[in-house]
Amino acid sequence: QQQVKQSPQSLIVQKGGISIINCAYENTAFDYFPWYQQFPGKGPALLIAIRPDVSEKKEGRFTISFNKSAKQFSLHIMDSQPGDSATYFCAAEGFDDYKLSFGAGTTVTVRA
Amino acid sequence: ETGVTQSPTHLIKTRGQQVTLRCSSQSGHNTVSWYQQALGQGPQFIFQYYREEENGRGNFPPRFSGLQFPNYSSELNVNALELDDSALYLCASSQPGTGLGYTFGSGTRLTVV
Repeated sequence: QQQVKQSPQSLIVQKGGISIINCAYENTAFDYFPWYQQFPGKGPALLIAIRPDVSEKKEGRFTISFNKSAKQFSLHIMDSQPGDSATYFCAAEGFDDYKLSFGAGTTVTVRA
Repeated sequence: ETGVTQSPTHLIKTRGQQVTLRCSSQSGHNTVSWYQQALGQGPQFIFQYYREEENGRGNFPPRFSGLQFPNYSSELNVNALELDDSALYLCASSQPGTGLGYTFGSGTRLTVV
């Protein structure tokens, strides 16, 4: 049973466009929400993360929006570039927990 | 500072065999976690080791076992391999309390035939 639901499964965006990936969770004990980027043949790499005491966090072209009451969070990739083409995973971890629960992933393709 | 290194990168095993995968954690990290990533899916937590003891386990059968060594490196052992064990096995190291999250290795691609 997947604790974090992620959508869409894949998306295609033009260079310079905005990619939006959404995730939802049920476990209110989750208090750490990272996003990982994974290229083929590589392990996931931490992209950006947020804790539920803030509603938004921005790092460069990547922004996390967090809605605690709706138990949803999303990743926005602004000015998408071909090098952003990868699979993106949302994840969640609870306080004093010892594991990440991952979403199923979103494959982003940026067309030049 | 070195990252997480895993070996081997690929291997092929026959159903019923046993396999050992290895992981060297990032410098300064004392906790190692193992994940299984089936094709097209998100990683699934197998177990975590802290100070050479299992610190938590996901929904995997006992034929999945592990070790952590005094230098914080780790092994994942899988006995009686099944075809469904074919996956990318990821090792992640961390240092609890730093707020810096997990660093993943590039994984070992296991194919069971």
